[in-house]
Amino acid sequence: NAGVMQNPRHLVRRRGQEARLRCSPMKGHSHVYWYRQLPEEGLKFMVYLQKENIIDESGMPKERFSAEFPKEGPSILRIQQVVRGDSAAYFCASSPFEGNMNTEAFFGQGTRLTVV
Amino acid sequence: DQQVKQNSPSLSVQEGRISILNCDYTNSMFDYFLWYKKYPAEGPTFLISISSIKDKNEDGRFTVFLNKSAKHLSLHIVPSQPGDSAVYFCAANSNFNKFYFGSGTKLNVKP
Repeated sequence: NAGVMQNPRHLVRRRGQEARLRCSPMKGHSHVYWYRQLPEEGLKFMVYLQKENIIDESGMPKERFSAEFPKEGPSILRIQQVVRGDSAAYFCASSPFEGNMNTEAFFGQGTRLTVV
Repeated sequence: DQQVKQNSPSLSVQEGRISILNCDYTNSMFDYFLWYKKYPAEGPTFLISISSIKDKNEDGRFTVFLNKSAKHLSLHIVPSQPGDSAVYFCAANSNFNKFYFGSGTKLNVKP
């Protein structure tokens, strides 16, 4: 059972371009979370998705950022018109739905976005 | 709002001694708490968790303690090893919602 797969591992974009970050959750996991880590900072929540649903996007900037988790395929975090301040490591995590039991989230290796 | 706080950004411990990492939270609705370990350029890896119905959970050298009245949890690593040197994040959630993370504590275990 492969872990959470994120790609690309490294992404360089010029200011104004679009960045697409992909996340394939662990097999059988229906919950996906995206977190951002700025240099020397902790993990900041961005968005929580289930298949075809956004459950909580309270951490997403109001503009330029969007996320989806379609019925088929990976979850996508999309950043339009990137700016230098978007440079960060973006981590995806997934967890299964276990009824009324809490479970841990498993993280991918992250995508390091650099905006030049 | 910072609902999970790790007030010590760094900790240095001698190999073989105990490492104690602390975490405080403000939301009394949290019912599940976790510790993650993170090496540079890698994703966080799950270490140990505890449900709010317990006050202690042990797994090998790692023990997590939960004090609900104080809204405080701690991770004890004993004996500490150089390979334990990493950033440790505590996290909490409730009702299958998002995980709230602390800002991390960088542990350095000196040989």
